[in-house]
Amino acid sequence: QKEVEQDPGPLSVPEGAIVSLNCTYSNSAFQYFMWYRQYSRKGPELLMYTYSSGNKEDGRFTAQVDKSSKYISLFIRDSQPSDSATYLCAMSDGNNRLAFGKGNQVVVIP
Amino acid sequence: DTGVSQDPRHKITKRGQNVTFRCDPISEHNRLYWYRQTLGQGPEFLTYFQNEAQLEKSRLLSDRFSAERPKGSFSTLEIQRTEQGDSAMYLCASSLQTDYGYTFGSGTRLTVV
Repeated sequence: QKEVEQDPGPLSVPEGAIVSLNCTYSNSAFQYFMWYRQYSRKGPELLMYTYSSGNKEDGRFTAQVDKSSKYISLFIRDSQPSDSATYLCAMSDGNNRLAFGKGNQVVVIP
Repeated sequence: DTGVSQDPRHKITKRGQNVTFRCDPISEHNRLYWYRQTLGQGPEFLTYFQNEAQLEKSRLLSDRFSAERPKGSFSTLEIQRTEQGDSAMYLCASSLQTDYGYTFGSGTRLTVV
């Protein structure tokens, strides 16, 4: 079992819809949780960074962490074509190494 | 500050050749990381430096791979005797100590033919 599971299936949504992405993990020591956005042939760009359980909101983006269920989510409201990218979840237990999911390719259709 | 810079952006090499990549981190960041990403996968940790000291290496980093960060500034990643399985995107990231929100560069895409 991989440490971080992220269903890599592509997701297509119409412009303006809510995008919902999630990851599950097995390592209960993870306490730092990140979401990265990666455009084609570019490096990952940090979107959201949360510590421990709870919600964090930044503009159209909301990150949720449920440590009891080992489950994290990212919601994108009012999705735009410019949100079309691959979204990677990542997490750390503080040992200076990030464990990534496989990523979700999101396509927002105008 | 222009973020994390990586050079070259693309490298095509013949199997068996040696290649070297360079990473220039954000100047005030004392930590530097190398990751490898293959198509359809998330990045995988290779190694990290705090200042000039290499503090951790993944088991993915075979003896053919070596990384340096002289004087705690830029870093190089060298792959000797390249194999087709080395074809991937090599990503460099940097951060301040205890900051887990790393800043990644655009990567070096390596193709071994």
